[in-house]
Amino acid sequence: AQKITQTQPGMFVQEKEAVTLDCTYDTSDPSYGLFWYKQPSSGEMIFLIYQGSYDQQNATEGRYSLNFQKARKSANLVISASQLGDSAMYFCAMREGWAAGNKLTFGGGTRVLVKP
Amino acid sequence: NAGVTQTPKFQVLKTGQSMTLQCAQDMNHNSMYWYRQDPGMGLRLIYYSASEGTTDKGEVPNGYNVSRLNKREFSLRLESAAPSQTSVYFCASSEVVRRANQPQHFGDGTRLSIL
Repeated sequence: AQKITQTQPGMFVQEKEAVTLDCTYDTSDPSYGLFWYKQPSSGEMIFLIYQGSYDQQNATEGRYSLNFQKARKSANLVISASQLGDSAMYFCAMREGWAAGNKLTFGGGTRVLVKP
Repeated sequence: NAGVTQTPKFQVLKTGQSMTLQCAQDMNHNSMYWYRQDPGMGLRLIYYSASEGTTDKGEVPNGYNVSRLNKREFSLRLESAAPSQTSVYFCASSEVVRRANQPQHFGDGTRLSIL
């Protein structure tokens, strides 16, 4: 079974509108963390936001926020007021447990294209 | 402000050739990782090193070897390259998980083509 699932291969969004990128995960470990990364066409991986399994509040970082629904095992990324520079691939990733290594498991990604 | 540096950025190999991808980080991180990213897919972990002196297999280790040369450097070796290893390779580093929100920091990637 996939540990991280991103069901939207691609999305269009109008500039200045909000967009929600879906991410569902599967783990039996009560301690885990969820990360979102942005990969622009230039190829680098840029860390955006983090949500921990014990966090009581949804994470926010500027225009990025997480809609964390623990019971449903989903951690959707919301980008508000989209900008042309938000056009990129977006990856959801999970770290399970606290064992040394901090390994991440990535989803397949969602490509976002912001239209002017 | 280098962060994680990977060399080379691009490489073309012939089937059966060997090659070492180099990675160095200047953030004093304990843990380092090698991932591969195939077209249209997410990253998959090849090998990782939780701390200097240790290495462990990830999800797709076959055909690769690694060396944690020191705290800064973590190299990935292809002993006999195969076309299936054509991919973009990313090195990453992170601090030991003392803070839950510790992200991994990535290099810019090495684009490797095997003919």
